[in-house]
Parts: sequence; C-alpha cells; structure tokens
Amino acid sequence: NAGVTQTPKFRVLKTGQSMTLLCAQDMNHEYMYWYRQDPGMGLRLIHYSVGEGTTAKGEVPDGYNVSRLKKQNFLLGLESAAPSQTSVYFCASSTSDLGRRSTEAFFGQGTRLTVV
Amino acid sequence: AQKVTQAQTEISVVEKEDVTLDCVYETRDTTYYLFWYKQPPSGELVFLIRRNSFDEQNEISGRYSWNFQKSTSSFNFTITASQVVDSAVYFCALSEAEDSNYQLIWGAGTKLIIKP
Repeated sequence: NAGVTQTPKFRVLKTGQSMTLLCAQDMNHEYMYWYRQDPGMGLRLIHYSVGEGTTAKGEVPDGYNVSRLKKQNFLLGLESAAPSQTSVYFCASSTSDLGRRSTEAFFGQGTRLTVV
Repeated sequence: AQKVTQAQTEISVVEKEDVTLDCVYETRDTTYYLFWYKQPPSGELVFLIRRNSFDEQNEISGRYSWNFQKSTSSFNFTITASQVVDSAVYFCALSEAEDSNYQLIWGAGTKLIIKP
C-alpha cells in the first residue's frame, strides 16, 4: 500500500501565485488533515476533514482553502501565496477521531514550499 | 489550555549512550491520548507509540521505553544503547477526547544527534 501520498514534494512560488497541494490516501480513512511545520515549532493544523464532502478549520486556516470531493483525496489550496506560507506541509489521515478512539495518524512525506 | 512542551531543543550523545527525551503536557481533559513520532532526516513522520490517559503502565519496545506519569504530566521517552540511526527529530503530541477540533497538539520537537 502507498499509504498517504503528497504531490508535489517541492515547489517554489512567487508571491501572489496560487497552487494546490494534493493528498491521496488508499487506506479508506474517514479523517484527513493538513498541517504545516515551521522551524522550532511543532506541527500546526490548518484544515481537516471528517469525511467526504466535509471540511473544517484548524488552528491556522487563514490563507488556505481545502476540498474533499472524494474520500481518498484532500486538496489544500493557496489562492495568493505569501512568504509567510513558506513551510513544510504534511497531510495525514486516520480511521477515526484521534481523541476519542485509540488510533494513530498516518502522514505523507511532506511538501516543502518556498514562497519568494 | 492544552499544550505540549519539549524543553530540550537538541540533544547530542555518543553512540551506545542512553538518552531520555522529555515531554510535559497540559490538559483539562481526563481522557486524552499521548503520542510520540519520529522524523528522520528524510522528513517523513513515523508513529512510535500511543498511550491513553488511563493506562499508566510503562512500555518497552526493544531499545525504546516510555515513562508515563500523570502526577507530573509527563510522558518521557528513553532510548537505550543509542545508535546513529536513532538520529532524528522526535515529537510528542496530545489529543483530547473533548476537543472538537480533532487536533493533535504538538510539542516543538527535540533534535537528537547520535555521534558515532
């Protein structure tokens, strides 16, 4: 199984450009998450989804949009990239709620995004 | 508010030494889960362990062991007879049963360097 796959792995954007990060999981997981990882900080939740067709805001949602049209895919969009969005982005999925059930999150390899 | 603190930013030891990574958490929930993840230089996040708040038994897995103490709100991770392959950033994380944001609250991570 591929698990959680993120594309692309690296990207450089100019300020104001837009792009979409794709996350695909083949584990039939209901829950999917987008995190960003910045130096000296732990991961911070951007958006998440508890099932196909649903999305919700996490801790740092501003400047990002998401969509979950298919259960296996969770897209993260940047409409107008800013240098503050330079980060490593991780997608994750889980079978159920991480707080209510004994489960774990499976992570993708990460996408290193630089906005210049 | 929930919080995870990994006070050790970086630890450097010589191979075969034992090393303990500290994790202190804050939560108001009585039901919660604690996690440790490993992030090797390649960048992926690897799940190591999950522990629920009602299970204070220490756990050992090969050279890895975890000490969960609710009295001090700590969930420390010890590597015995460290090896160069253990070099990575290690994250401690918390999820709460009552948290409606389905979040993992992450510590800032501890970078572990094992010198040959």
